[in-house]
Amino acid sequence: DAGVIQSPRHEVTEMGQEVTLRCKPISGHDYLFWYRQTMMRGLELLIYFNNNVPIDDSGMPEDRFSAKMPNASFSTLKIQPSEPRDSAVYFCASRKLVNSPLHFGNGTRLTVT
Amino acid sequence: KQEVTQIPAALSVPEGENLVLNCSFTDSAIYNLQWFRQDPGKGLTSLLLIQSSQREQTSGRLNASLDKSSGRSTLYIAASQPGDSATYLCAVRRSGGGADGLTFGKGTHLIIQP
Repeated sequence: DAGVIQSPRHEVTEMGQEVTLRCKPISGHDYLFWYRQTMMRGLELLIYFNNNVPIDDSGMPEDRFSAKMPNASFSTLKIQPSEPRDSAVYFCASRKLVNSPLHFGNGTRLTVT
Repeated sequence: KQEVTQIPAALSVPEGENLVLNCSFTDSAIYNLQWFRQDPGKGLTSLLLIQSSQREQTSGRLNASLDKSSGRSTLYIAASQPGDSATYLCAVRRSGGGADGLTFGKGTHLIIQP
């Protein structure tokens, strides 16, 4: 299996621009998670989906952040408008069952100038 | 709110030593606990998953234990090698309905000196 695939690997953008991060979970995995990692705060859960339905988005920092999962093999995390404090590494992760291990992608390093 | 603490934050030891990484959590009502490894610029790789009903899990030179009542887990690495150098994170999933996301510690940055 190819694992969780994220794109792009790196994104540099200017403040105010829209940013879209993409994720393809492992085939057959019913749960998809978006995390953000910073030096100060570590890994934080933003939102997760079960069978393409958003279950808990309480970690989404502001209305500028939105996430979608139009089908079982694709999810997006969008930031509009982006701000410098959004700079972080954004990870997508998936798992098959409730008690299965969580598998992470390699992340997208976002820099907002 | 669940909080996960990892001690030490950083550790440097000579190759060949056995070592223990510690993880503690404030709410013992957990569903499972997972240990991960993160290499620079990479994602997290799952090492071991311990369900709440289990006491330990082993994989090769790694052994993870769980004491849910005291809110502690340890990751034991036997005969450490330079290739073990990485950041090790533990994460807990709370119990209850739904597939909640994991709460992570900030990790232990491990360096194994050749």
